[in-house]
Amino acid sequence: DVKVTQSSRYLVKRTGEKVFLECVQDMDHENMFWYRQDPGLGLRLIYFSYDVKMKEKGDIPEGYSVSREKKERFSLILESASTNQTSMYLCASSPGQDFGYTFGSGTRLTVV
Amino acid sequence: GQNIDQPTEMTATEGAIVQINCTYQTSGFNGLFWYQQHAGEAPTFLSYNVLDGLEEKGRFSSFLSRSKGYSYLLLKELQMKDSASYLCAVTGAAGNKLTFGGGTRVLVKP
Repeated sequence: DVKVTQSSRYLVKRTGEKVFLECVQDMDHENMFWYRQDPGLGLRLIYFSYDVKMKEKGDIPEGYSVSREKKERFSLILESASTNQTSMYLCASSPGQDFGYTFGSGTRLTVV
Repeated sequence: GQNIDQPTEMTATEGAIVQINCTYQTSGFNGLFWYQQHAGEAPTFLSYNVLDGLEEKGRFSSFLSRSKGYSYLLLKELQMKDSASYLCAVTGAAGNKLTFGGGTRVLVKP
């Protein structure tokens, strides 16, 4: 069974902390994505990657960065967490166009 | 850019039919996905339409009209377990990143 695994289901962090959200997929997919999901706003794309060491900004990249050192792992970094980054974060991977995404189970991050 | 609209919430009775509409305006369009998301869980794939017409998959069907920028998801013989959010998402002409609508929460009542 194909899998996208996010390291934490729930996280609580303090304002100003550096936060790492990890995502690993075992499907050898080229493409990986980070979204955040907020009530009334749906899923919004933060960053994505089409290849190792490659990254592109999505629609809301401010306050975030990413790292893709290996094909299977795509990390989302909050450089200095703020309360407005409290959200559900979803990682997804895809083998290419027309195939859709496989999502991880999500990380609910609370910044206090 | 992409703009995707779908109703916020719908209520239906067990055994009935519900149709969730999705309209989109995009600078480029390749295909349209529907996902189901139960509360607290990850979205799961339901359907993908590239060509105009109806795709049927068991109790669920999805329709696309590219010329009208319109799709619908039809859920038949509703069951209580169908209570979930349904997400419409489009993929543009370049690359496969998806842009999602806000989602439609469907509540199935006995």
